Amino acid sequence: GAVVSQHPSWVICKSGTSVKIECRSLDFQATTMFWYRQFPKQSLMLMATSNEGSKATYEQGVEKDKFLINHASLTLSTLTVTSAHPEDSSFYICRGAGYTFGSGTRLTVV
Amino acid sequence: GDSVTQMEGPVTLSEEAFLTINCTYTATGYPSLFWYVQYPGEGLQLLLKATKADDKGSNKGFEATYRKETTSFHLEKGSVQVSDSAVYFCALSPALGSYDKVIFGPGTSLSVIP
Repeated sequence: GAVVSQHPSWVICKSGTSVKIECRSLDFQATTMFWYRQFPKQSLMLMATSNEGSKATYEQGVEKDKFLINHASLTLSTLTVTSAHPEDSSFYICRGAGYTFGSGTRLTVV
Repeated sequence: GDSVTQMEGPVTLSEEAFLTINCTYTATGYPSLFWYVQYPGEGLQLLLKATKADDKGSNKGFEATYRKETTSFHLEKGSVQVSDSAVYFCALSPALGSYDKVIFGPGTSLSVIP
């Protein structure tokens, strides 16, 4: 079945730095990838939809300059948290074709 | 709009107890329904799904039946194990193949004690 590989699984960074999270589709071509954020003990919030070869579509309230999404190939979508701050600390998870999720990335900004 | 409601947790059960986690939904049309499981520190895994009324999804001893008349998709397991401790999310997709929209419930945390 469809497998989505997400890296890193966890990352700690300093305030002001940028962090890139990758999601790769291993056995299928993903023209679309969905990015979610999950706060502790809460449900998933859709942040944006990445589309191969075109601009991502962001949900209302999500800063596109803060959360840069790139989907340059059919197998790779990336989310870059720019100028990270402690309030960006969260669990980020991608979803590929059908209903398959990546394993998630725990981001902690100190 | 479409939405999913789940029973509030946390739920604590003894090993081998019967589990029910209630889920109801609001949607137009004929959504597909899902249960996802999230183990501590991990991503979400699809546990089971049902795509039309009266379908029963089942996996790893869990099952849920799509009840259109009561707009429900309750998750059940006859005998839980400690390894079932996780957070369970009920979700819907407005239409089969409509991959852009998956709406999640708030999640229900389950702890199973020996």
